Amino acid sequence: QTVVTQEPSFSVSPGGTVTLTCGLSSGSVSTTYYPSWYRQTPGQAPRTLIYNTNTRSSGVPDRFSGSILGNRAALTITGAQADDESDYYCALYVGGGISVFGGGTKLTVL
Amino acid sequence: VQLVESGGGLVQPGGSLRLSCAASGFTLSSYWMHWVRQAPGKGLEWVSRVSLDGRDATYADSVKGRFTISRDNAKNTLYLQMNSLRAEDTAVYYCASRPPGWYAFDVWGQGTMVTVSS
Repeated sequence: QTVVTQEPSFSVSPGGTVTLTCGLSSGSVSTTYYPSWYRQTPGQAPRTLIYNTNTRSSGVPDRFSGSILGNRAALTITGAQADDESDYYCALYVGGGISVFGGGTKLTVL
Repeated sequence: VQLVESGGGLVQPGGSLRLSCAASGFTLSSYWMHWVRQAPGKGLEWVSRVSLDGRDATYADSVKGRFTISRDNAKNTLYLQMNSLRAEDTAVYYCASRPPGWYAFDVWGQGTMVTVSS
């Protein structure tokens, strides 16, 4: 069973840079897992930020970038703004049309 | 371009519900379609996906044998038939599209709440 791990919470100062990561309980994340990232505010549907490791979805500002850092996928937010305060989820593609989500990271901007 | 879910509600344990997801502004038949759910206060959980022509479906172990995903491309609509519902199926259910060449979700619906309780 694939278990995807994320930091439960993170904080960043306005204007600062933060990197959220996404790993596997066993093994390394690589581009073959096609990591994707989603943002969700309370009561709202998720919004796709990044797909296929580092491709921004339409309309997503270039303050958001995806990469592989070591053995984890990463989402970097530069110039953090107050409305970046959200839950961020990563998902890894494990084949057969199946994606597994991480538990999410609650980002606080303060 | 949007997806709109409907059909959620309150149902007793052991009961059934059928969710619908209507697409507008794009042709559903060009996308693999998925259902993702989120229990209250919890994270996202992938539930099921269906191929372009509806012939191939995959399910999470937690719903296998109880849920059936289907699509009617002529009606531009995706469905999720949920039988033998359990309390742990209580969640907001989202439909989401997966474009060709993506290994991720693109357009998401607004979600429909399913509550399983006596």
